[in-house]
Amino acid sequence: DIQMTQSPSSLSASVGDRVTITCQASQDIRDYLNWYQQKPGKAPNLLIYDASNLETGVPSRFSGSGSGTDFTFTISSLQPEDIATYYCQQYDNLPSLTFGGGTEVEIK
Amino acid sequence: QLQLQESGPGLVKPSETLSLTCTVSGGSISSSSFYWGWIRQPPGKGLEWIGSIYYSGTTYYNSSLKSRLTISVDTSKNQFSLKLSSVTAADTAVYYCARQGLISSWVDPWGQGTLVTVSS
Repeated sequence: DIQMTQSPSSLSASVGDRVTITCQASQDIRDYLNWYQQKPGKAPNLLIYDASNLETGVPSRFSGSGSGTDFTFTISSLQPEDIATYYCQQYDNLPSLTFGGGTEVEIK
Repeated sequence: QLQLQESGPGLVKPSETLSLTCTVSGGSISSSSFYWGWIRQPPGKGLEWIGSIYYSGTTYYNSSLKSRLTISVDTSKNQFSLKLSSVTAADTAVYYCARQGLISSWVDPWGQGTLVTVSS
């Protein structure tokens, strides 16, 4: 089974900071990677699909990049409403899914 | 707008069977473009894919749960269901149902989730 290693597990940043989260797959998954935002008590919400495509309605300060085994999720300018936990998710062996461990983002 | 809603008991005794149903509204579960899946999240922990089903009834299960798991679909009711047998405290989690893309396998939308506690 493909394992997803997400880092860091938590981070604290100031409003306006650039925030970067990484996700590493245990084997090549091409661009078969999605990113989600989960706020406390809520279901996750799709932000990025196929590694770098912004879901409709998602603010442009969110972006994703990478392919193969190494992926990056970036918030270009952290906003207070971005406080949440972010997850990567791979789908190399459809429809089986594997999620990363999550990154909790807090405001400093 | 497509919506999904989980329903079922919030408390299940150890060794018994957890049963949940997901009702889909605002769209047809018989679409050939999607899977319909279950994902769970233990309190304070991450997300785990449980399994998915296609409208035809073809199922796909997480290998770690396969021996205890049954997912079924009722297209006449626009519902799909989850049964997990022989539950233990480790099965305590928020259970989400969701639509899953057939090609990119993004998960969207999700149900609101339902907490199932395994306890005597």
